[in-house]
Amino acid sequence: ETGVTQSPTHLIKTRGQQVTLRCSSQSGHNTVSWYQQALGQGPQFIFQYYREEENGRGNFPPRFSGLQFPNYSSELNVNALELDDSALYLCASSHIDGGGNVLTFGAGSRLTVL
Amino acid sequence: AQSVTQLDSQVPVFEEAPVELRCNYSSSVSVYLFWYVQYPNQGLQLLLKYLSGSTLVESINGFEAEFNKSQTSFHLRKPSVHISDTAEYFCAVSVGGFKTIFGAGTRLFVKA
Repeated sequence: ETGVTQSPTHLIKTRGQQVTLRCSSQSGHNTVSWYQQALGQGPQFIFQYYREEENGRGNFPPRFSGLQFPNYSSELNVNALELDDSALYLCASSHIDGGGNVLTFGAGSRLTVL
Repeated sequence: AQSVTQLDSQVPVFEEAPVELRCNYSSSVSVYLFWYVQYPNQGLQLLLKYLSGSTLVESINGFEAEFNKSQTSFHLRKPSVHISDTAEYFCAVSVGGFKTIFGAGTRLFVKA
């Protein structure tokens, strides 16, 4: 059973640029969620994808967008980067089957915006 | 909307002492409750969960949490902590298969 893998692990961008983060879900999972974790804070829910469609979104602006592919892998895209976007971005996969949506997390992608 | 409050940002404790990490939640509907742990330089992982049934749930490494519906709490306890329990602990709530909301976290620091 493979876990959740994210790439890249670290990256540095400048304000105004665009970034794409990638995630491979755990085998057998059909749902992927993305979270932003700023330093010293808890993970903040960005959005969740199920069957390749967004089925829930947190309080993030439209410049945060995502995709889920038929193999359940996923991308998080952030346009027009701002300094406050600097954070650890976590991908988590799960299986919606009435089991409470237990999340399996990747190690994260740490984004620094200069 | 759901929310989670972790009442303590940091909890220092001596090895072999008991510990309680407090968590309160707010929700107008039934929720699932979780504790996740983040060890230094590692990703988040599930510690324990409450979905239904017995209100007392246990983890494999000696932690337990009790769901108290009247007080909307899900406090985490361990009767005797070890140095290796040093980590950040996050309480979380989820409605069905929908989004999971996390608290701000409690940093448990176990001293020798």
